[in-house]
Amino acid sequence: GAVVSQHPSRVICKSGTSVKIECRSLDFQATTMFWYRQFPKQSLMLMATSNEGSKATYEQGVEKDKFLINHASLTLSTLTVTSAHPEDSSFYICSASPWIEQFFGPGTRLTVL
Amino acid sequence: QKEVEQDPGPLSVPEGAIVSLNCTYSNSAFQYFMWYRQYSRKGPELLMYTYSSGNKEDGRFTAQVDKSSKYISLFIRDSQPSDSATYLCAMSAWKTSYDKVIFGPGTSLSVIP
Repeated sequence: GAVVSQHPSRVICKSGTSVKIECRSLDFQATTMFWYRQFPKQSLMLMATSNEGSKATYEQGVEKDKFLINHASLTLSTLTVTSAHPEDSSFYICSASPWIEQFFGPGTRLTVL
Repeated sequence: QKEVEQDPGPLSVPEGAIVSLNCTYSNSAFQYFMWYRQYSRKGPELLMYTYSSGNKEDGRFTAQVDKSSKYISLFIRDSQPSDSATYLCAMSAWKTSYDKVIFGPGTSLSVIP
């Protein structure tokens, strides 16, 4: 149980394009979903917290107009990186939480050329 | 002082050794404690979840919480090369829905055959 999927697992795009990443909880309903960014050999950096049906709460320093988050249902959240630039290249990981513990997706490796 | 501190390692042990991974924290309100394992380029996987002080055992893994010392540990018995990964501690007060889960930076573990 407690499986979270993330799609795509890897994406390469040109600078200036937008990329959408999907996060789904497959066997449970998630009241809250989280989006993280992780640089090589560094820990998780929380970008935003989203609750189904309400606006996401962004961490300080994270541009909400650049990283659009939509939490359309209790099992689906999407992160759209708008007008991506090479500095947005990173490993993006979502997690879904039915209560306190978080269950993570496998991550998406974004490379912006 | 960071809310959660964890020795980043790397920690290298021979196969079969007992591994001790530790975290210290500063917020006395934390009462939910978790350990995650993250393989390279994958999302973190929840290993253990404990509430308040005490021990919890699951197979080769034992989690200990000492709230009086603000110190938590994860012990791995009979370590295997497949245990080689980064281990992240995480904790939360969770008194309100605004209380976040705080992650440690992770300890890199290598188990040498």
